[in-house]
Amino acid sequence: AQSVTQPDIHITVSEGASLELRCNYSYGATPYLFWYVQSPGQGLQLLLKYFSGDTLVQGIKGFEAEFKRSQSSFNLRKPSVHWSDAAEYFCAVGATGGTSYGKLTFGQGTILTVHP
Amino acid sequence: DTGVSQNPRHKITKRGQNVTFRCDPISEHNRLYWYRQTLGQGPEFLTYFQNEAQLEKSRLLSDRFSAERPKGSFSTLEIQRTEQGDSAMYLCASRDDRFSTNEKLFFGSGTQLSVL
Repeated sequence: AQSVTQPDIHITVSEGASLELRCNYSYGATPYLFWYVQSPGQGLQLLLKYFSGDTLVQGIKGFEAEFKRSQSSFNLRKPSVHWSDAAEYFCAVGATGGTSYGKLTFGQGTILTVHP
Repeated sequence: DTGVSQNPRHKITKRGQNVTFRCDPISEHNRLYWYRQTLGQGPEFLTYFQNEAQLEKSRLLSDRFSAERPKGSFSTLEIQRTEQGDSAMYLCASRDDRFSTNEKLFFGSGTQLSVL
């Protein structure tokens, strides 16, 4: 069975500082990997996804993530955080294979607080 | 593209009552998914449809839960004899995989259920 672990429940950074959110997954093969962001009262918004190929993927809002197979990790990074980035971030893994894609397993989330 | 719409946004009910939620996916999206998110946790997969066919149900979906998508467009999720443990955010998502298996999920803002 697939699983996702986000070790940090809550992270606080200063505006302009760099950010790294950790994600470790468990899956028997090369998975589909995703990062979503959720603001209060809003639906989940996809930041970026990894299916195959280049292990460094670029997403929206200046975010990037790196897939490291040897570490079973897919950490999310941003070089300079903006106050509007304050939200909850979820890492998710999806099974490969067309009929299962869309059935995602999410981590428990990391709440990001940004100090001015 | 008006996005995935969910109604109602909030529902408060007494234990033992039945409730029904509605999800209107993005037009022509053939796949529709239901997830449940409890406080402090990531979303958990409940079930999904391809057009009007319900293809998979999670073990989380007890006999008190039933989902339908009668004409392959909107979907309803009904919970009978609600229990306090049913209190959660119920999320709906849709995607169109007729031309590509890699199309992303679009999430609605969810229905927040509180069982008193």
